[in-house]
Amino acid sequence: KAGVTQTPRYLIKTRGQQVTLSCSPISGHRSVSWYQQTPGQGLQFLFEYFSETQRNKGNFPGRFSGRQFSNSRSEMNVSTLELGDSALYLCASSWGGQGIGNTIYFGEGSWLTVV
Amino acid sequence: AQRVTQPEKLLSVFKGAPVELKCNYSYSGSPELFWYVQYSRQRLQLLLRHISRESIKGFTADLNKGETSFHLKKPFAQEEDSAMYYCALRGSQGNLIFGKGTKLSVKP
Repeated sequence: KAGVTQTPRYLIKTRGQQVTLSCSPISGHRSVSWYQQTPGQGLQFLFEYFSETQRNKGNFPGRFSGRQFSNSRSEMNVSTLELGDSALYLCASSWGGQGIGNTIYFGEGSWLTVV
Repeated sequence: AQRVTQPEKLLSVFKGAPVELKCNYSYSGSPELFWYVQYSRQRLQLLLRHISRESIKGFTADLNKGETSFHLKKPFAQEEDSAMYYCALRGSQGNLIFGKGTKLSVKP
């Protein structure tokens, strides 16, 4: 079974630009969530999508957005990039239930550098 | 508040020595806790979860509700255990809340 796949793996953007990151979940998984990992703040939850609907959202500004397609693939977008957005963005997938036992699997991440 | 605290940023031990990575949590209700590990240049992967009460790669963790702790232990550390270890709590809305992580370094 293929794992969670994220593209691109590395990218460099300029302040003020926007970026779109893509995630393909494990086959059969309907929930996709996104996390930001930085040295200072650690791993922070961005949002979760389930069946094309945002089900849960972390404490990030509106510049961070996402969507999920009918095949469960997801994209996240960051507009008006700031230097502080430089981070590893992790996508995670699970079968979707919110109860106990729903294991969350992570992708390798997309390294974003904003210059 | 829902929070996970890992008090040690770095833990350095010698091969064969016991290891204990500390994790404390704050949560109202019955928590669901995990340990994730991130080896160098690899993805974050689940090491173990408290509901399974299993031992993976010799690691165990016991949930202590009285002390609100979920410490990770291994009796004899190996060099290949060197990695970043993250304790995580499933929040009330289903997402994971992570601690800041502990870097374990096992010296030969």
